[in-house]
Amino acid sequence: EVQLLESGGGLVQPGGSLRLSCAASGFTFSSHAMSWVRQAPGKGLEWVSAIGGSAVSTYYTDSVKGRFTISRDNSKNTLHLQMDSLRAEDTALYYCAKDNDVEALDIWGQGTMVTVSS
Amino acid sequence: QSALTQPASVSGSPGQSITISCTGTSSDVGAYNYVSWYQQHPGKAPKLMIYDVSNRPSGVSNRFSGSKSGNTASLTISGLQAEDEADYYCSSYTSSGTRVFGTGTKVTVL
Repeated sequence: EVQLLESGGGLVQPGGSLRLSCAASGFTFSSHAMSWVRQAPGKGLEWVSAIGGSAVSTYYTDSVKGRFTISRDNSKNTLHLQMDSLRAEDTALYYCAKDNDVEALDIWGQGTMVTVSS
Repeated sequence: QSALTQPASVSGSPGQSITISCTGTSSDVGAYNYVSWYQQHPGKAPKLMIYDVSNRPSGVSNRFSGSKSGNTASLTISGLQAEDEADYYCSSYTSSGTRVFGTGTKVTVL
């Protein structure tokens, strides 16, 4: 069964850091680009970042550039999102998602909640 | 990277057809045939319903169809059913290699 399982969310103070992980199973992880998408409470979806299968290419939405770093460990089938200098507006449910190779996200995890508050 | 524009809400009676629009720019929706649509029920993860403007993943009902004209994409749900009540989001690849989602549309089955 194809599955994505996020972890690492929690409560952090403004200016703090958090590292999210996403464990993948049921497909050839290294063959697919992966993305992080977030959803603030009661709000819509916001694409955050993506990384190619070989990790050579990375992309970010403007609001997280310079603060967030996406990475992957293909030997462990794991995707990461290092989040630094966190702000209250980063509070959201963070989903990891698999790219179907034609720029659509066909498999999603259940999400991990990040709350930035003092 | 402004969000694509969708109507906040669309409603219809069971059996009817509804259409949700998704308006972008010549740098995203208008530039590529990489428009996708997602369905999200409350408390659940999004589900891919349409990719590449008009293609349905395996298992998605053929009551869902997609199209595009210029900078505007559309999702049509025909034969509306109670289970279709959910939030729907469009998404597009952009000229900067990123993705952008729409503002979201709440579909209500009357």
